[in-house]
Amino acid sequence: AQSVAQPEDQVNVAEGNPLTVKCTYSVSGNPYLFWYVQYPNRGLQFLLKYITGDNLVKGSYGFEAEFNKSQTSFHLKKPSALVSDSALYFCAVRDDSGYSTLTFGKGTMLLVSP
Amino acid sequence: EAGVAQSPRYKIIEKRQSVAFWCNPISGHATLYWYQQILGQGPKLLIQFQNNGVVDDSQLPKDRFSAERLKGVDSTLKIQPAKLEDSAVYLCASSLRAGTSVTDTQYFGPGTRLTVL
Repeated sequence: AQSVAQPEDQVNVAEGNPLTVKCTYSVSGNPYLFWYVQYPNRGLQFLLKYITGDNLVKGSYGFEAEFNKSQTSFHLKKPSALVSDSALYFCAVRDDSGYSTLTFGKGTMLLVSP
Repeated sequence: EAGVAQSPRYKIIEKRQSVAFWCNPISGHATLYWYQQILGQGPKLLIQFQNNGVVDDSQLPKDRFSAERLKGVDSTLKIQPAKLEDSAVYLCASSLRAGTSVTDTQYFGPGTRLTVL
């Protein structure tokens, strides 16, 4: 069975500082990895995904994520945080076995202070 | 391009009542998903449609939940009768391609927040 772990319930960072939101995964086949962001009372908004190729994936709003196969990780990063980045972030994974479903982590709340 | 539409946005019902949620996916998207998101958790897939056929409903509590996508476009999710533990946000998502397109991005609607009293 596939799974996603987001070890931090909350990440606090000051505006202008770099941020990292951690994600590790477990799948039986090749992983396809996604990051979504959820603002209050809104649905999930797609940020970026890793399918194959370059391990560093760039996405929306200046976010990027690094795929590390040996550590089974897909951490979300941004060089300089904004207060408006404060939201709930979800990592998700599915594998390449046909009708594999998208499995989400429990989410990490990012709080960026002015 | 219009996103995934859902209605209502909020619903409060008493336990044992019934409720229905509606979803209209992005135009042209073949695959439609319903997720349940309980507070403090990530979304959990309830059912996946490919056009108007069910691909995966293994996590759908079929004794009380039902869903349909009759014309392969919009979809309805129903709960009858509701239980307290059904309180959650119900998210609809769609993706472009049919088939085993596991790399396709899923695009989510705003969700329906259900409170069962």
